[in-house]
Formats: sequence, structure tokens, C-alpha cells
Amino acid sequence: GAGVSQTPSNKVTEKGKYVELRCDPISGHTALYWYRQSLGQGPEFLIYFQGTGAADDSGLPNDRFFAVRPEGSVSTLKIQRTERGDSAVYLCASSLMAGAVNEQFFGPGTRLTVL
Amino acid sequence: GENVEQHPSTLSVQEGDSAVIKCTYSDSASNYFPWYKQELGKGPQLIIDIRSNVGEKKDQRIAVTLNKTAKHFSLHITETQPEDSAVYFCAASIRDDKIIFGKGTRLHILP
Repeated sequence: GAGVSQTPSNKVTEKGKYVELRCDPISGHTALYWYRQSLGQGPEFLIYFQGTGAADDSGLPNDRFFAVRPEGSVSTLKIQRTERGDSAVYLCASSLMAGAVNEQFFGPGTRLTVL
Repeated sequence: GENVEQHPSTLSVQEGDSAVIKCTYSDSASNYFPWYKQELGKGPQLIIDIRSNVGEKKDQRIAVTLNKTAKHFSLHITETQPEDSAVYFCAASIRDDKIIFGKGTRLHILP
């Protein structure tokens, strides 16, 4: 009975490096969401996919952030030229289909630390 | 865009007492209001939600109320237990679109 899994659980990198964060959604869930959670804050929406396509990427802070979901299952969030301000927990969630009323199941997150 | 304000940021209640967390939202088009519980090292988990055509909803010890006119909604937890200690987030969604979260309330249940 697997839930949403995210790897790695922790990632430490140096300023300027490139990182990839992976999300494995619940099997059969067509919608996948990425959020960023800074310390003491609520999750902040980044992007969501319905199937393979990005349905809404309005939350991506700038063009250093990019996400893909090539086969409609696993998704990768990619961050180029990381900055210290990118340090946060990156959460992934999936739901049976898109739409806020469909319960989103969250993974445990990847804690990214940029030194 | 939508903005969700939540208070208090921290709340301590004696075990067995009730806890109330309040939120306001800015966009009158918001029509869906979920509440999440987040435990340390885990992602948020949906505990209850309410749609804009309903004023109140209850599930065992948890209830939510919604005042559309005032753009307020609240979470009530009765007969609090130690396992209720966590961070709680309110959230709002406009027209079934993405979810906007509040900043969270850290709830401590005192023995």
C-alpha cells in the first residue's frame, strides 16, 4: 500500500549546482503537484500536472525551476544554478484526478539545503 | 490572487479541552476550504474540508464552520488528545483550482 514517495529525503548542495528531486505518485493517480515549504510556512504551490502535461506552472518562481512528467507517472523537479534562498522542503502530492476537491496525498518531502 | 491568513500561529490547550483555529481569505470566488494536519517529518494530511455551499461540517471530534459573508472559516477540535499535537493548515481554492495554504498553527496538547 504505497503512498507518495520522494527521493532523496535530504539533499545538500552548493550554491550554483544543479539538483533533481524525484516524486513517485500513488499508482493510478493522474494529477501530480509540487509545493515548496519554507520553515514556519505553509506549502506554496509550484506546478501541477494532469497526465504528462503541466496544467498550471504559475507558481514556479523563475526559469531556474523546471519539472517534467514524461510518462504521466514519476515526476522530476529540476533546479538549475541553485541559490541559498532555494533551501526548503519540496513536497509532492498526487490525486486521482485534477481539481482541488480531489484529495491530494502528500509525500514526506525532500529537504533541500543550499550552502 | 487569493491570500489566506491563519491565527493563532501557536496554540496550547489542556488535554480534553477544545481548540479553535481561525482563518480568513481574500477572494470571494473561493469555493473550497480544506484543512490539513502535518506531523513532524511528514507531508500534510487532509483531515476535513468544506465547500462554499455549506456552513458547517462535522466529523467526530472535528468540525469546520464557514462564514462566506465575512470570508472566515474555522476549525474546532473537541476533547483534545495528545495525538492531536501537530501543525494545522487551513487552505482555500478558487473555482476548483490550485490550493492556497495559510501559514499554519502549531497545536500543543498539554498533559
